[in-house]
Amino acid sequence: QSALTQPASVSGSPGQSITISCTGTSSDIGGYNYVSWYQHYPGKAPKLMIFDVSNRPSGVSNRFSGSKSGNTASLTISGLQADDEADYYCTSYTSRNTRVFGGGTKVTVL
Amino acid sequence: EVQLLESGGGLVQPGGSLRLSCAASGFTFSSSAMSWVRQAPGKGLEWVSTITAGGGDTSYADSVKGRFTIFRDNSKNTLHLQMNSLRAEDTAVYYCAKGGLWVSDYWGQGTLVTVSS
Repeated sequence: QSALTQPASVSGSPGQSITISCTGTSSDIGGYNYVSWYQHYPGKAPKLMIFDVSNRPSGVSNRFSGSKSGNTASLTISGLQADDEADYYCTSYTSRNTRVFGGGTKVTVL
Repeated sequence: EVQLLESGGGLVQPGGSLRLSCAASGFTFSSSAMSWVRQAPGKGLEWVSTITAGGGDTSYADSVKGRFTIFRDNSKNTLHLQMNSLRAEDTAVYYCAKGGLWVSDYWGQGTLVTVSS
């Protein structure tokens, strides 16, 4: 199972919006609405930011939003803040009854 | 408060075995699927294995199938990962996560496994 494709890095200035893409296939992202996104600071536990493509868990800022079109899912962070600087991972359920992660995107706040 | 505390990591020689454990609290463990996810040094997250709430169904990544076994003790709120025939490429921080194949809503801090001679 090949990893989902994410850009290695995305950057933006405080207050701006950025979007992280996550591209898979019809056997994972395109076939199911089970895409989730995680924020990960090195050495810390990953944190769930978005589940089921576009749902936010309680306590997650509404500056984070998710969407999907075809085989590509996206995470948008609006009103970028310094503490948004972290690694972000997408993941999807697959037709093989497994799970696959993206390679991760490092978000830098300029 | 949900807490997941991994243990059992350490240094092991190639071909050796190790058992990881994850002590869970703050939620009804016996009603929740559980997963293991790992991160090799300098790499991204990689799903390893998932087990259903009752323990009757398991799934594995191709990279560990036949070598790793996930199991749970619902009477002790504990998740385990038995790792055999370990390889250098299994070196990683191993995270215990609450949830199954669709989403993991809580994660532990991880335990480091190093496979080296």
